[in-house]
Formats: sequence, structure tokens, C-alpha cells
Amino acid sequence: SQTIHQWPATLVQPVGSPLSLECTVEGTSNPNLYWYRQAAGRGLQLLFYSVGIGQISSEVPQNLSASRPQDRQFILSSKKLLLSDSGFYLCAWSPTVAEAFFGQGTRLTVV
Amino acid sequence: GEDVEQSLFLSVREGDSSVINCTYTDSSSTYLYWYKQEPGAGLQLLTYIFSNMDMKQDQRLTVLLNKKDKHLSLRIADTQTGDSAIYFCAEQYSGNTPLVFGKGTRLSVIA
Repeated sequence: SQTIHQWPATLVQPVGSPLSLECTVEGTSNPNLYWYRQAAGRGLQLLFYSVGIGQISSEVPQNLSASRPQDRQFILSSKKLLLSDSGFYLCAWSPTVAEAFFGQGTRLTVV
Repeated sequence: GEDVEQSLFLSVREGDSSVINCTYTDSSSTYLYWYKQEPGAGLQLLTYIFSNMDMKQDQRLTVLLNKKDKHLSLRIADTQTGDSAIYFCAEQYSGNTPLVFGKGTRLSVIA
């Protein structure tokens, strides 16, 4: 069966520090991968999605970037965090047709 | 453009039925989803419906789709305290495109 792992679960980082959140999927190949951010009162905002290795689509221009170095690995990064980067970050994967399955999320607090 | 709208709050008594409503704007959407999010957790897929269907029932859950009005609803029969969560409606144009989420409806079940 397929599983998705996302870590860390919580993170407190100072303003200006770098960020790296990692997401891996097991039990499937060539999944579509997504990073969403959930901020209070704003629902889920799609940040990046990838349909293959090295293929990244950015939905919202901002202080973040994403990379997909391997088929089942999706990384969210920042060189310098801003206070406004605080939020709940969710990784998700989907097969080529329908549905999306989510990780447990990372609560990022930038202080 | 894509937009998914939901009311933010719903409160029901235990044992009653809950109806959570959602409207979407993209008439080309092929798949429509309902996800559940419990506090501090990721999103759990509850059910989905193809755009060529009017209704889908799965145990206590009934999904109704009015494609003409672009209206989707989720009915939870015999609502329990464990159903308290945030419920997200999402639309998807095709299997290879990202899901677009509403802001979520917070369901509170009163014992």
C-alpha cells in the first residue's frame, strides 16, 4: 500500500533562517506531488506541484522553492524565512487519475 | 478562474443530519472531493464524485452534485461527536491537475 511521510511535524525557526521540509512517498511510482499551505481563515493554498522528476510548477510567487530530486521525494525550501511564512504545510500525492492523499503536515512557526 | 466557496461554520446536535454546502466556478471540473481534517492533522479523503454523477452514497455520507448550479453538498447522517472537524470541498479539472480547495467548513457537533 502507498504511504506518505512528511517531516518534521513541528518546526520553530527564526526569521532569516533557511528551511527544508521533506516529503517522501512509498508504494507507488511517478506520483504527482504537491505542497499546500494552510493559513488560518484561508483554506489550502497550492504552492507547488510536480508531475515528474525535476518538473516543478509554481502557483504562488513567494519566498519558497520546491525541488524533486527523486521520483518519490519532494522538498520545500527557503533561503531566508519571513514571518509570513508561518503556517501549516501539507504535502500530498496523487496517482495520475483523481484523488490526493495527504501527509500529516508540518506546523512551521517563524519567530 | 477557479474558486471554491464554503460557509465557514456549521453547528449541529448529535444524532441530527449535517449538510455542508459548496459552490464552485469551474464548470469543466471533472472530479469533486470532500476531505476531513481533524485538529493538527493532515487531510483525509472522505469521498469524491465524478462530474457525470448526481449522487453518491457511502454509509452515513451522501454527496449531491447539481452541475447546473455548480453546487456540491455533503450530508452526514446521524452526526456524532467524532465528526467534529473541518470539511474541505475541492475541485479538479483532470487527473493531472492540482486540486483547488475551499476554505473549509468547521463542523461542531453538540452532545
